[in-house]
Amino acid sequence: DTGVSQDPRHKITKRGQNVTFRCDPISEHNRLYWYRQTLGQGPEFLTYFQNEAQLEKSRLLSDRFSAERPKGSFSTLEIQRTEQGDSAMYLCASSPLRRGGGGELFFGEGSRLTVL
Amino acid sequence: GNSVTQMEGPVTLSEEAFLTINCTYTATGYPSLFWYVQYPGEGLQLLLKATKADDKGSNKGFEATYRKETTSFHLEKGSVQVSDSAVYFCALSEGGGFKTIFGAGTRLFVKA
Repeated sequence: DTGVSQDPRHKITKRGQNVTFRCDPISEHNRLYWYRQTLGQGPEFLTYFQNEAQLEKSRLLSDRFSAERPKGSFSTLEIQRTEQGDSAMYLCASSPLRRGGGGELFFGEGSRLTVL
Repeated sequence: GNSVTQMEGPVTLSEEAFLTINCTYTATGYPSLFWYVQYPGEGLQLLLKATKADDKGSNKGFEATYRKETTSFHLEKGSVQVSDSAVYFCALSEGGGFKTIFGAGTRLFVKA
């Protein structure tokens, strides 16, 4: 399977702990995105990488959140000192670099975070 | 800012019924418009898209037409099947396409 893969699929943690999610995009895709989805809502944009450069971050991404894509391949999203409000599905997507926009996003199945 | 509004669900239909899910958008430029679908237990996947005004996107019997004058991109299907039961998300992207904004999603249940 050469789609976007995310790990772990489900993480349960206690408030105040740190968690890290990993995303492996489709190998030839330059762009990688993180989104957050809460129950009954659509995905909300968090951040975006083009190759290894993080080019855009949402205001939703507080100082406790950090994302990296060190070699332009896989990416990690770390949440420090988790809070109950961080409970959500964290989605990773990738896409090829395409002139003029209008591009399709290819999503993974998501990593569900539950903070107790 | 840019936004997408779609009709609230759930929508419950009998098999072979006609489906419409309304979607309107607000954008400062000329966005591309999308419908994504999320089947139970699966990730979001693109259903169809349209990149300019009056374009019609179509796939798997679903259609949507990019209407700039009414800022709408309504999803339609003439005859739904039980296998169409899913959550449908309307979305837009502009500015080089790196930021896609999603609606809240509409859950569709189709009864046999």
